[in-house]
Amino acid sequence: GDSVTQMEGPVTLSEEAFLTINCTYTATGYPSLFWYVQYPGEGLQLLLKATKADDKGSNKGFEATYRKETTSFHLEKGSVQVSDSAVYFCALSDRGSSNTGKLIFGQGTTLQVKP
Amino acid sequence: DAGVIQSPRHEVTEMGQEVTLRCKPISGHNSLFWYRQTMMRGLELLIYFNNNVPIDDSGMPEDRFSAKMPNASFSTLKIQPSEPRDSAVYFCASSTRQGSDTQYFGPGTRLTVL
Repeated sequence: GDSVTQMEGPVTLSEEAFLTINCTYTATGYPSLFWYVQYPGEGLQLLLKATKADDKGSNKGFEATYRKETTSFHLEKGSVQVSDSAVYFCALSDRGSSNTGKLIFGQGTTLQVKP
Repeated sequence: DAGVIQSPRHEVTEMGQEVTLRCKPISGHNSLFWYRQTMMRGLELLIYFNNNVPIDDSGMPEDRFSAKMPNASFSTLKIQPSEPRDSAVYFCASSTRQGSDTQYFGPGTRLTVL
C-alpha cells in the first residue's frame, strides 16, 4: 500500500542554519503531497502542498518540490528561526480508484532550533 | 471563519469509564476524519466520514471505540470502557469534499485514562 517515510529526528539546528527534512513516498497513481507542521500543544497545520510532478510548494520560507523520478518531497528552508521549532509531517493523499481524500502521514520529524 | 472545534481540550478519567469526544467541522466541509496521536505509534487515522456516512473504520482499534456523525456539523468519538492504553491526543479534521486533498485539523483532545 501507499506509504510515506521521513528522516528520523530530532533535528537540532542553530538559528539561521539551512534545513532539509527528507521525505520519500510509495504510491500508486498520482498523489498530492503535503507538509504539515505541528507546534507544541496544537493541531496540525498545512504548511505547503504540491499536486503534480515538478510542482514546488512554498510558504513562510519553506519549499518542497514534487520529484516523481525519485519519489521524494524534501522540505527545505534557507534560514531557520527559533519559532520554526515544531514537528513536521510529510503526507500524501489517497488518489487511488476510491479517491477518498484520505491522507497517509509519515512518522513526523521534530525540529529544534537553538538561538 | 471558525476552524475545526473540538471539546473537551483535556479529559482525565478513570479506567472503565465512558469517554465522549466531540468535533464540529468547518461549515461546508463534507469529509471528517478522526485521528489518534501517541509517541509510540505516531498519527493514526481511526475513521472517516463523507457526507455523514462512515467510509472506512478499519483504523478503529477495537469494539470499545465507536464514532457517529448525526449531521454535517457534529461528530462524536466514544470509548467505552476506557483503558489506560487509550491515553493519547485525539484530533478531528475536516475537508471540503470527498477527494479534496487538504485537511484542516482541530486543536485536539488530550485524553488521560488513569
